[in-house]
Amino acid sequence: DQQVKQNSPSLSVQEGRISILNCDYTNSMFDYFLWYKKYPAEGPTFLISISSIKDKNEDGRFTVFLNKSAKHLSLHIVPSQPGDSAVYFCAASAVGGTASKLTFGTGTRLQVTL
Amino acid sequence: DAGITQSPRHKVTETGTPVTLRCHQTENHRYMYWYRQDPGHGLRLIHYSYGVKDTDKGEVSDGYSVSRSKTEDFLLTLESATSSQTSVYFCAISGGQGYEQYFGPGTRLTVT
Repeated sequence: DQQVKQNSPSLSVQEGRISILNCDYTNSMFDYFLWYKKYPAEGPTFLISISSIKDKNEDGRFTVFLNKSAKHLSLHIVPSQPGDSAVYFCAASAVGGTASKLTFGTGTRLQVTL
Repeated sequence: DAGITQSPRHKVTETGTPVTLRCHQTENHRYMYWYRQDPGHGLRLIHYSYGVKDTDKGEVSDGYSVSRSKTEDFLLTLESATSSQTSVYFCAISGGQGYEQYFGPGTRLTVT
């Protein structure tokens, strides 16, 4: 049972335009959400996170929006740049217990074209 | 970049042989994790550690064991490798609950 879903395996966007990557989750216990970016042959790189007490978090060109009632979050990249071409993973965790264990989505491959 | 290294970076082994992957950190972080990445599955948690000699199972722990005898090292062992364990393995560290995890460069393991 996939608790974190990224239903779009790929996305193509022109340079300078907005990229919107979506993620849905089913576990209502999740209260911390993260986005990671991954280049081939490298480890995932942390991009941005959001706590469930917020509905928006912004860091430069990256903004994450959280809609708790819909169990949906999205990552906006504005403006998109060719270097943003990578696979983006959404992840979620439930704070508490012995550690923050991340549950990942299957990823969305973003291609930013010139 | 967080100081995380993984060794080896690539390994080919035969079915039935034991394999140990090493994760080493220089950040003195308490929490360490092992994930595997497979097409169509994203990253899945194998085992994690919340302190020296404190470990627990993740989502896909069958066939794997771990050990953490000191803060900086977290070992993942495949007791008897199978072809289904062909994957890319990532180690991650974090400073605490509710904090982001930082990932190592990965180990590509092929079991023939």
